[in-house]
Amino acid sequence: GQQVMQIPQYQHVQEGEDFTTYCNSSTTLSNIQWYKQRPGGHPVFLIQLVKSGEVKKQKRLTFQFGEAKKNSSLHITATQTTDVGTYFCAARTRRTNAGKSTFGDGTTLTVKP
Amino acid sequence: DTEVTQTPKHLVMGMTNKKSLKCEQHMGHRAMYWYKQKAKKPPELMFVYSYEKLSINESVPSRFSPECPNSSLLNLHLHALQPEDSALYLCASSPYLTGDSYEQYFGPGTRLTVT
Repeated sequence: GQQVMQIPQYQHVQEGEDFTTYCNSSTTLSNIQWYKQRPGGHPVFLIQLVKSGEVKKQKRLTFQFGEAKKNSSLHITATQTTDVGTYFCAARTRRTNAGKSTFGDGTTLTVKP
Repeated sequence: DTEVTQTPKHLVMGMTNKKSLKCEQHMGHRAMYWYKQKAKKPPELMFVYSYEKLSINESVPSRFSPECPNSSLLNLHLHALQPEDSALYLCASSPYLTGDSYEQYFGPGTRLTVT
């Protein structure tokens, strides 16, 4: 079945440093969503990317969708302690059953003050 | 309002008990989901409902029985669970199942412990 590989699994940064997580697929994706889950919390929707080469920004967060629609990244500039949590990508392909998103394994970010 | 509510927050049940998890959304979303999440793992899809009809069952054991009484409510009935079923159970909703609006809004989850 479709797999979405997400790297790295863990990232430890000093507050103020940048952070990037990547999702890669061997098949072309229809769209990709990004979610953030705080420790002890639930996944919270951040953004959806649909178009090839799409770039979206939310304050210090920048989301990119690759030109071939096979990869995506989330970049956080100047991390803060409030950025702590696990970031998941979730993707669908044209072959995916409608309603089923494949989640990456997540990248857990810790930020040292 | 992008809120999905779930009750109870925590549930401890024995292997012979019958219990139900409840989920509610008032965003007018037509698709609703049940996920199971183990610690340090991504959410694992269990069931998907679209327009109150079961659309996807990810080969979930029959001891889990979903129900969608109306477009705002989703239940998960539990019976004869095993200790390995202990997990965080998440409900989610999205505007539609198809098209471009796939973003899912998750509830806070029910932390289930099976003893």
